[in-house]
Amino acid sequence: RKEVEQDPGPFNVPEGATVAFNCTYSNSASQSFFWYRQDCRKEPKLLMSVYSSGNEDGRFTAQLNRASQYISLLIRDSKLSDSATYLCAVNPDNAGNMLTFGGGTRLMVKP
Amino acid sequence: EPEVTQTPSHQVTQMGQEVILRCVPISNHLYFYWYRQILGQKVEFLVSFYNNEISEKSEIFDDQFSVERPDGSNFTLKIRSTKLEDSAMYFCASEKRTATNYGYTFGSGTRLTVV
Repeated sequence: RKEVEQDPGPFNVPEGATVAFNCTYSNSASQSFFWYRQDCRKEPKLLMSVYSSGNEDGRFTAQLNRASQYISLLIRDSKLSDSATYLCAVNPDNAGNMLTFGGGTRLMVKP
Repeated sequence: EPEVTQTPSHQVTQMGQEVILRCVPISNHLYFYWYRQILGQKVEFLVSFYNNEISEKSEIFDDQFSVERPDGSNFTLKIRSTKLEDSAMYFCASEKRTATNYGYTFGSGTRLTVV
């Protein structure tokens, strides 16, 4: 089983739609979780950390489900500018600070 | 907004040559990282650096790789004898990591092409 797994997509949605991505992780000891956004041939940019209680930042909501070992990202009212690849990242054991990234989910928002 | 700066943006080198990729992390950050991303593949961890020493490294980070923070500002990745499969985007990242603020800031990357 891959350490961090994402559906590669693409998810094609119209503007204004709500879209959700999941990311599963294999190591139950994982403590820190993040969502990054990566535009084509650019660096990953931190979108949000994922806290145990879930967290929201504007149109973006992240949640953690420890029992089923996945994190989710919900985007409401999609904008054309949300088109990107969304990477989840997991700190596998919190002993160090390295992150294991998923392969990313590609989102394309269409007019 | 503070940035992580990487130079050069693109480097072409011949197989077997040494390359040095340079990074200037955000000034009050304490943790530094190198990651790489082969075209179309995942972002992969190479090495982390804290308190002037390597704190973790991956299997990719073999004897051909080394890191240095020579002057308290720059953070460099050296590849001693490049191979074709080293062609990738190399991202430097830094992190402050406090109780309320953690998560990396990545630089814009160096695209390394080994020919």
